[in-house]
Amino acid sequence: GQQVMQIPQYQHVQEGEDFTTYCNSSTTLSNIQWYKQRPGGHPVFLIQLVKSGEVKKQKRLTFQFGEAKKNSSLHITATQTTDVGTYFCAGTGGTDSWGKLQFGAGTQVVVTP
Amino acid sequence: SQTIHQWPATLVQPVGSPLSLECTVEGTSNPNLYWYRQAAGRGLQLLFYSVGIGQISSEVPQNLSASRPQDRQFILSSKKLLLSDSGFYLCAWILNTEAFFGQGTRLTVV
Repeated sequence: GQQVMQIPQYQHVQEGEDFTTYCNSSTTLSNIQWYKQRPGGHPVFLIQLVKSGEVKKQKRLTFQFGEAKKNSSLHITATQTTDVGTYFCAGTGGTDSWGKLQFGAGTQVVVTP
Repeated sequence: SQTIHQWPATLVQPVGSPLSLECTVEGTSNPNLYWYRQAAGRGLQLLFYSVGIGQISSEVPQNLSASRPQDRQFILSSKKLLLSDSGFYLCAWILNTEAFFGQGTRLTVV
């Protein structure tokens, strides 16, 4: 079945630095979504990418969907302490997995001042 | 507006006891509903999903079960809890592929 993998599992960043987290799927995705979970909280939707090669920006966050629609990345520039949390990618696959949103294991981000 | 409610927020249960977690949504009809589990420091594991009343799909064999007795109600149950059932349980409602999560139930089996 469809598997979504994320790397790295853990990211320790100095405030002000940039970092990237990557998401890879074993199958072609219909769309890819990114969520952020603050410590002790529940995941909150950030963005959805649908088109091959799509790039979207939210302030210091840049999201990219691969040309083959099997991978995605989230790049954060000038990291701030408010960026602390776990970032998950999630995707839905072909017609046989309609409605099943599969999450990656997440990248836990720790920011030091 | 649409909202999703999940309770209780925290739960401590002894091994072998039953479990019932409830999730309800408001402001929509015929939602796609999901139960996820998150072990400490881990990702989200899809447990069950439902596209309608009485329709349950199980993703992972285990001693948990799910039911959807009403359109906007999704229940996660167990007859006998195991230590390994401890975790953060999240109910989610997916609208146009975007997931909205409940506040979660932190379950500790002792």
